[in-house]
Amino acid sequence: GQNIDQPTEMTATEGAIVQINCTYQTSGFNGLFWYQQHAGEAPTFLSYNVLDGLEEKGRFSSFLSRSKGYSYLLLKELQMKDSASYLCAVINSNYQLIWGAGTKLIIKP
Amino acid sequence: GAVVSQHPSWVICKSGTSVKIECRSLDFQATTMFWYRQFPKQSLMLMATSNEGSKATYEQGVEKDKFLINHASLTLSTLTVTSAHPEDSSFYICSAGGQTDTEAFFGQGTRLTVV
Repeated sequence: GQNIDQPTEMTATEGAIVQINCTYQTSGFNGLFWYQQHAGEAPTFLSYNVLDGLEEKGRFSSFLSRSKGYSYLLLKELQMKDSASYLCAVINSNYQLIWGAGTKLIIKP
Repeated sequence: GAVVSQHPSWVICKSGTSVKIECRSLDFQATTMFWYRQFPKQSLMLMATSNEGSKATYEQGVEKDKFLINHASLTLSTLTVTSAHPEDSSFYICSAGGQTDTEAFFGQGTRLTVV
């Protein structure tokens, strides 16, 4: 089968750094997305990785290792508004988007 | 980025009635749109792929006669939940793009509560 694993919940402190991991097992790979979703809202796009390495975009960075089936989302200088769920999604060889269950990130003052 | 507008944002309906949810691409033409359902604390689940001018493709386990999808134009797809039951209460989200190597643009989502 195909599955994506992420931690269910993480807690971090305002101003700190947090890394959210994602491991995947899919039939083929054509890219990996990270989305942010606040409660009751639709997901918003954060990043897309298709090649190995680190993609940096402001306070957020995303890393991919295709050989390990592994990605992480790194959030720096955490703000209270970063409290949300973070969804990892992979495009497989059939161009289907496979979603993880999301990681709920709780930011404490 | 592109804009996808979904309406209504929330709706409450009685059991047995039907509810229509609209998904519009405001600044681009979408030959394909996707409908997802999300239960609390769970992942997005693809319900169906909406194809302009042809029948939708439903995922396994999704009742096509219950969840009617119409994609009559390049900018509008509709999802109608027919004879709604309380177990249909969920968050429904539409999107365009994202099934190749491009970003997926999501509508705002519709929270449906069936009482």
